[in-house]
Amino acid sequence: AQSVSQHNHHVILSEAASLELGCNYSYGGTVNLFWYVQYPGQHLQLLLKYFSGDPLVKGIKGFEAEFIKSKFSFNLRKPSVQWSDTAEYFCAVKPGGYNKLIFGAGTRLAVHP
Amino acid sequence: GAGVSQSPSNKVTEKGKDVELRCDPISGHTALYWYRQSLGQGLEFLIYFQGNSAPDKSGLPSDRFSAERTGGSVSTLTIQRTQQEDSAVYLCASSARAVGAEKLFFGSGTQLSVL
Repeated sequence: AQSVSQHNHHVILSEAASLELGCNYSYGGTVNLFWYVQYPGQHLQLLLKYFSGDPLVKGIKGFEAEFIKSKFSFNLRKPSVQWSDTAEYFCAVKPGGYNKLIFGAGTRLAVHP
Repeated sequence: GAGVSQSPSNKVTEKGKDVELRCDPISGHTALYWYRQSLGQGLEFLIYFQGNSAPDKSGLPSDRFSAERTGGSVSTLTIQRTQQEDSAVYLCASSARAVGAEKLFFGSGTQLSVL
């Protein structure tokens, strides 16, 4: 069965530190890839997405993610985090030919000033 | 409305009772999804509606769970004979087209607690 693994459940960083959140999926075919974010007290919202083309995708608020097909990975990065990035981050995969988005367990990021 | 609306925001029920959760998607969105988020776990897909097509029910965990979407708009998720393991946040999302072309817009969820 398809699945999504997020390696870190909790990450604590200081402001200006660099961030990388891991995401791996298990599906051998074509995929669409997403990162969603949930800020405290807010709805889940799309951070960035990959469908095709350049494997390095840039999203809102300085986030980017790189699709590495050979590693089945779609890691999220930000060079310098801010306190306002404190949130829960979810990686999601839509396998080709399927209707549903499969989500990872999420990573809670806490950024200390 | 401006966003996906879910009601109630919180529901406390006794084990064995039936519950109904409601979702009002964004007007004009043809795709509607239900997910369940349990403590410490990801979002578990439950069911997907797309226009007038037969829904994808592959994620419903048991026959106690059912959902319908009337008139291609409002959706109701029904859980019969609730169990304590049904306690979770139930999220609804809608999109303008099938996932892969448009992003999902999520509601704020219904926190279900089964005592």
